[in-house]
Parts: sequence; structure tokens; C-alpha cells
Amino acid sequence: SAVISQKPSRDICQRGTSLTIQCQVDSQVTMMFWYRQQPGQSLTLIATANQGSEATYESGFVIDKFPISRPNLTFSTLTVSNMSPEDSSIYLCSVEDWGGYEQYFGPGTRLTVT
Amino acid sequence: AQKVTQAQTEISVVEKEDVTLDCVYETRDTTYYLFWYKQPPSGELVFLIRRNSFDEQNEISGRYSWNFQKSTSSFNFTITASQVVDSAVYFCALSERNTGNQFYFGTGTSLTVIP
Repeated sequence: SAVISQKPSRDICQRGTSLTIQCQVDSQVTMMFWYRQQPGQSLTLIATANQGSEATYESGFVIDKFPISRPNLTFSTLTVSNMSPEDSSIYLCSVEDWGGYEQYFGPGTRLTVT
Repeated sequence: AQKVTQAQTEISVVEKEDVTLDCVYETRDTTYYLFWYKQPPSGELVFLIRRNSFDEQNEISGRYSWNFQKSTSSFNFTITASQVVDSAVYFCALSERNTGNQFYFGTGTSLTVIP
């Protein structure tokens, strides 16, 4: 399975600011995913990021609010822009294995917006 | 409509008791995959098992076992002789071929094992 790291692991930010979360994988992967998990809730897919193409956003998520970069096959970033307290969540990146059957998750970034 | 339903929001058991976490899914795809993940308080999602739609054999891994029944669209997870370290939120998930293997997560079951 892939080993995934995320930075930062947690942060406390002021409303109106932006935070960029990094996701690094120890092997090359085609598909990377970004999820949000609001307190006490399940995971919600924000977007799918393929290397070399624009990210595909799920309903309710827009690029202006959550811009994503995917510069190569081992790295991606998610920016949470113009943050409000409602953005306080755990943000997780995941990767799909080459068989396309399983997803492995990073440790998550715990974001608190004050 | 919710594709994955975990009706049990919270469960508490005393250590060494057995506990079953329920998962019911909905799909029209003939090729799909079912998963269980564990999320301890640290927040990281830990992959536990994957099952494909063509394999209804039950699986046992140590104290963990899974019962997959297509007839009832269920994929239940049993922990035998529970331990305090089993305390976590457990998520069931579905991945369908027709939707490019997008994952649909249930709402999770929070398990507390009381020493």
C-alpha cells in the first residue's frame, strides 16, 4: 500500500485567510482525491485530481474556494481559500492503487478556523 | 438516496464482548467493491478490508470477521472479544465501476469499548 503524508497535520487559522495543504505519496499514482470530514460527520469528496489535468469537483465545491494543484504523480495540494468557521474540518487526501480498487488515506489535516 | 447506510450511530460494549457493525448498501452496478475503514481518535483512516461483488465468501482476520450477503445488500463487520483499542469510528464504503470507482462512505459507527 502507498504511504501518504500530509502537511500540516493541524492548524488554527483566522477567518478570511487561506491555507494550503500538501499531500505527498511515496509512489507514483494516477488518481488522488481530496475529502472533507466535518466534525462528527462522514467523508465528503471534494475533488479528484489527475496529474496534468484540471481537478474534477463534486457538487457543492468550486475551484475558487478549493483550488487544487497536481504537478506530478506523487504530489498534490489543496488550498482552502477565504476561510470561515464552517471550513473547520479534517481534510484528507487519498490515492487509488494501480488496480483501481482501493483507496489509501493520508493522516489528515485538522483545520480550525476562528 | 444514501448508497451506504450504517444505521448504528454509536455502540458501547464492555471489553471482551462481541459486537457487530451493520452496513447496508444500494447499487445497480453488477461490479462493485465494499470496504471497511477504521478511524481511531487520531483521525487517520485505516483500511481494513475490501470485498468485490463476485466474492460472497465470508472472511476472518484474527478477531475481525465480515459477512457479505448480496441477497440483503449487507456487509456486516463483527469484532470478537472486543478490546479497548477497538474504540474508533468505523466506516463502510462502496465503490462502483460505473462511477469510475468513486467511493461512497456511510455515516460511520462510533464504537466505544469499555474496560
